[in-house]
Amino acid sequence: DVVMTQSPLSLPVTLGQPASISCRSSQSLVHSDGNTYLNWFQQRPGQSPRRLIYKVSNRDSGVPDRFSGSGSGTYFTLKISRVEAEDVGVYYCMQGTHWPTWTFGQGTKVEIK
Amino acid sequence: EVQLVESGGGLVKPGGSLRLSCAASGFTFSNAWMSWVRQPPGKGLEWVGRIKGKTDGGTTDYAAPVKGRVTISRDESKNTLYLQMNSLKIEDTAVYYCAWELLGGLGYWGQGTLVTVSS
Repeated sequence: DVVMTQSPLSLPVTLGQPASISCRSSQSLVHSDGNTYLNWFQQRPGQSPRRLIYKVSNRDSGVPDRFSGSGSGTYFTLKISRVEAEDVGVYYCMQGTHWPTWTFGQGTKVEIK
Repeated sequence: EVQLVESGGGLVKPGGSLRLSCAASGFTFSNAWMSWVRQPPGKGLEWVGRIKGKTDGGTTDYAAPVKGRVTISRDESKNTLYLQMNSLKIEDTAVYYCAWELLGGLGYWGQGTLVTVSS
C-alpha cells in the first residue's frame, strides 16, 4: 500500500498568520488517466472529517479561499493563508490514486498558540 | 442537501457480529460509489472498504485488516449502505463513517457510529 507521511504532526499557529502542512507519498500519485488524486480533509474537534481539497488543488464547495493545495508527484502541501480560530483541528491527506486501498496520512493537529 | 446517517453501532464482545447501516439522501444513491472509513478513539483515519455503484457492477474492495471478516452491501430500494462485521476483534473498536466517493476521494461523510469491542 502507498504510505502517506505528513509533517509536522503538531502545528501551533498564531491567529492571522499563515500555516503549512506537508504530505509525502511513497509512490507517485499520478494516475494513468493523468490526474493526481490527492485529497485534504479537516476534522474539527468532535466532528466528522470534511474534505477541503481534491485533485491536489481544487477546493470543495464552501471551502474558504484561505485554504489552498499544491504539489505534484510525491510531495504535496496544504496552506492556510491566515489562520482563524475555526481552523483548529486535525488535517489529513489521503491518496485516491492507487487502488484498491486508499490511504491517509497520520494527521496534523493545528492549534492556536 | 446530501445526508449520510449511520446507525447500528454499540458494544459487542470479541468474536461477535454487528451490522452498521448508512441511510443516504440528497443524491442518486444507486450510481454512487460508497466507502466505509473508521477511526479508533484518539487515532487517525483508516479506509475499510468500498462498494461501487449499481451501473458499475456493485463490486466491493476491502482493506487487508478486515478482508474476510466484513461485507459491504447496499439496498437501492432503501437508499441504504451496510457494513456487516463478523469475528470482531478489540482492535476493531472505532467510530465508523460512511462516505460518498467523488472526484477521486471522499466528498461527503456521515456523522459516524461508535463500535466498541470489549469483553
